[in-house]
Amino acid sequence: AQSVSQHNHHVILSEAASLELGCNYSYGGTVNLFWYVQYPGQHLQLLLKYFSGDPLVKGIKGFEAEFIKSKFSFNLRKPSVQWSDTAEYFCAVNARYSGGGADGLTFGKGTHLIIQP
Amino acid sequence: DTAVSQTPKYLVTQMGNDKSIKCEQNLGHDTMYWYKQDSKKFLKIMFSYNNKELIINETVPNRFSPKSPDKAHLNLHINSLELGDSAVYFCASSRQTGNTIYFGEGSWLTVV
Repeated sequence: AQSVSQHNHHVILSEAASLELGCNYSYGGTVNLFWYVQYPGQHLQLLLKYFSGDPLVKGIKGFEAEFIKSKFSFNLRKPSVQWSDTAEYFCAVNARYSGGGADGLTFGKGTHLIIQP
Repeated sequence: DTAVSQTPKYLVTQMGNDKSIKCEQNLGHDTMYWYKQDSKKFLKIMFSYNNKELIINETVPNRFSPKSPDKAHLNLHINSLELGDSAVYFCASSRQTGNTIYFGEGSWLTVV
């Protein structure tokens, strides 16, 4: 079964700082990769996803992530954060099978991001 | 209109009670899920149904029983509630397994 690790559980940045949140997964086969964001008291929303093709994917609100297969990584980046980016960020992965099926999403433990004005 | 809607949003109940959380999706998706988010924000899949059939059943106490009357609904029934069941329960759906998952707004369950 696949697993996901997010290296930073709590990150505190000032506005306009650059952001990079690490995500590594363990699974030897083909995967779909996702980043979700959860604003305080709200549900999870999709930021971006990678299924295939260009390993650099762009999402909403200026976020992007790069899939590096050799490193089993899918790090999330944003060049300049805003106070409104304060939220919980979850990396998630599911394994794809040759028959076309896939597992349910496995989530990392989340990174709590606080942006100070 | 909310794509994945779940009720109730907040539920406070006593230990030992039986409660249900309902979920409906109007996206025409084939697959639905229940996830549990604990106090440390850790998200864990509980169940997944594809076209009303159970396809994922993680290690969950058998006090938790999902029911899917049709592919647009996946309800969660919990018997004999315990303090440790306090969490946020998220319903979700996807077109098929492996596709993007869309989450409901969560049901905050507190067992006292």
